[in-house]
Amino acid sequence: DTAVSQTPKYLVTQMGNDKSIKCEQNLGHDTMYWYKQDSKKFLKIMFSYNNKELIINETVPNRFSPKSPDKAHLNLHINSLELGDSAVYFCASSSGPAGRFNSPLHFGNGTRLTVT
Amino acid sequence: AQSVTQLGSHVSVSEGALVLLRCNYSSSVPPYLFWYVQYPNQGLQLLLKYTTGATLVKGINGFEAEFKKSETSFHLTKPSAHMSDAAEYFCAVSAWGSQGNLIFGKGTKLSVKP
Repeated sequence: DTAVSQTPKYLVTQMGNDKSIKCEQNLGHDTMYWYKQDSKKFLKIMFSYNNKELIINETVPNRFSPKSPDKAHLNLHINSLELGDSAVYFCASSSGPAGRFNSPLHFGNGTRLTVT
Repeated sequence: AQSVTQLGSHVSVSEGALVLLRCNYSSSVPPYLFWYVQYPNQGLQLLLKYTTGATLVKGINGFEAEFKKSETSFHLTKPSAHMSDAAEYFCAVSAWGSQGNLIFGKGTKLSVKP
């Protein structure tokens, strides 16, 4: 009964490939996020969706495209993978409407992406 | 805009000793402040949060933090460290109107020596 689940846990691929990471939450939250954690453990938000609507889109290459088929799912598709994309990607969710953020994030266990 | 500074990328304490992890924030509006813990190969878990009201907040696993507006600080403490506390700790800030963008500090790795 994992609250926020991501698949796959590990993803090893070659440069130039296209890959997807899936995320699902069963908490009934309205808002979902993608964060990137680099090798120095620095966490940076990439995208946020509220009720399937994109509300945060940080400076991220166009090769990254989030898709939210419903409010319980937020997938991340990455085209033409580059070496610098290697990182751990975390999905998260929270309750509460956009603009009133005092709700904590619930994180998945991460997807470690390695691009060779 | 908000920002977070965690002083000390690595803190080492002996088992049973006081744990003090420092966090200073910058925010142009009243902040919401959080501490998260990350164990190896896992996602982040919420330790505690401050939104409004009492400035001393208690969290899980015996941790607490005090919001000091005059010092723009939100330091995390635990009176007695346990081996199981060894992990990476992240301070984070958000604020009303920020559209849910949680800004994280760079993390502090806590080591606990037997």
